[in-house]
Amino acid sequence: QVQLQESGPGLVKPSQTLSLTCTVSGGSISSGSYYWSWIRQPAGKGLEWIGRIYTSGSTNYNPSLKSRVTISVDTSKNQFSLKLSSVTAADTAVYYCARDRDGSGSYGYWGQGTLVTVSS
Amino acid sequence: DIQMTQSPSSLSASVGDRVTITCQASQDISNYLNWYQQKPGKAPKLLIYDASNLETGVPSRFSGSGSGTDFTFTISSLQPEDIATYYCQQYDNLPPTFGQGTKLEIK
Repeated sequence: QVQLQESGPGLVKPSQTLSLTCTVSGGSISSGSYYWSWIRQPAGKGLEWIGRIYTSGSTNYNPSLKSRVTISVDTSKNQFSLKLSSVTAADTAVYYCARDRDGSGSYGYWGQGTLVTVSS
Repeated sequence: DIQMTQSPSSLSASVGDRVTITCQASQDISNYLNWYQQKPGKAPKLLIYDASNLETGVPSRFSGSGSGTDFTFTISSLQPEDIATYYCQQYDNLPPTFGQGTKLEIK
């Protein structure tokens, strides 16, 4: 059973870069044909898709965040990562990593989520 | 972006009730529609994929239907453990987008 776990700083200063890592267990991140994604949720609000990286390494980003987002994968560590630059208070949210169930956009596997607060 | 509009935003029902939530897409998304359940402090859980397919291990009291722009999610007999917020999500076009959520409470 695939499991995902987010990690990274819980507090980031405005204008700095938010960096999170998702560690995958129970399967190789480089096997199969899956999308590895980041999704966030501000407190009390809905879900926003940030972007994804395919098993091949190709990426797609939400146009609303594209200029600030980079998603990468480290197959040797079975991890994928999110970097979000020039953060503001509006980027404060719970960040989830997720994997689709079958190469589609149906997210069947999620990390527990990690709260990132942007504050000085 | 495709806009997903859920109705109602909140719902109060009694144990045993049949509960229905609707989701409308701003354009035709075929059947590329999922439903998730999210309990407080937890990650969303996939319940229904491709509009009407029950995810493995999900109780059969949950069901989904629809295609094109109009979709329905149903709980046939509400149980106490079903108290949660429910989200629809389209994946026909990038970026995938979610409805605003329906908060389900026990009456």
